[in-house]
Amino acid sequence: GQNIDQPTEMTATEGAIVQINCTYQTSGFNGLFWYQQHAGEAPTFLSYNVLDGLEEKGRFSSFLSRSKGYSYLLLKELQMKDSASYLCAVLDSNYQLIWGAGTKLIIKP
Amino acid sequence: GAVVSQHPSRVICKSGTSVKIECRSLDFQATTMFWYRQFPKQSLMLMATSNEGSKATYEQGVEKDKFLINHASLTLSTLTVTSAHPEDSSFYICSASETGPPRPQHFGDGTRLSIL
Repeated sequence: GQNIDQPTEMTATEGAIVQINCTYQTSGFNGLFWYQQHAGEAPTFLSYNVLDGLEEKGRFSSFLSRSKGYSYLLLKELQMKDSASYLCAVLDSNYQLIWGAGTKLIIKP
Repeated sequence: GAVVSQHPSRVICKSGTSVKIECRSLDFQATTMFWYRQFPKQSLMLMATSNEGSKATYEQGVEKDKFLINHASLTLSTLTVTSAHPEDSSFYICSASETGPPRPQHFGDGTRLSIL
């Protein structure tokens, strides 16, 4: 079956760096997405990786290793507003998006 | 960037009422739209995928006669919850996917449905 794993919850300190990991096993691969979802709100698109390597976008970076079925989202200079759930999702061979359960990130002062 | 508008943002109504939720892609054409449901502190659950001009594909366990989906144009999809009951109370979110890779899904703001 198709499976995406990410930690349920993580805690980090304001100003620090945090890495949220995601591993996947899917039927085919057409890219991996990271979304941010604040409580009570809809998800917002953060990043897309389809080739191996690191994509940097401001304070957020996303990394992909297709051979390992692994990605991470790196958040630098953490701010209180970064407290949210971070969702990993993989586009499979049928272009269907397979969602992880999300990682709740708690930022402490 | 791509904008998806979802309306209404909140609905409170009596049991037995039918509720219609609209999802519009404002600045791009969406050949595919998705409808999700999310219960408190749970992950997104895909209900159905709709392609413009064809019948929606429902996920297992989702009643197609209960949740009517219409995708009549490249910019509009509607979800109608028919004869809603308290157990249908949830956060309903639509998303739209642009044509061509990488096809990120852009989400509407969601509709919080409360059935009394």
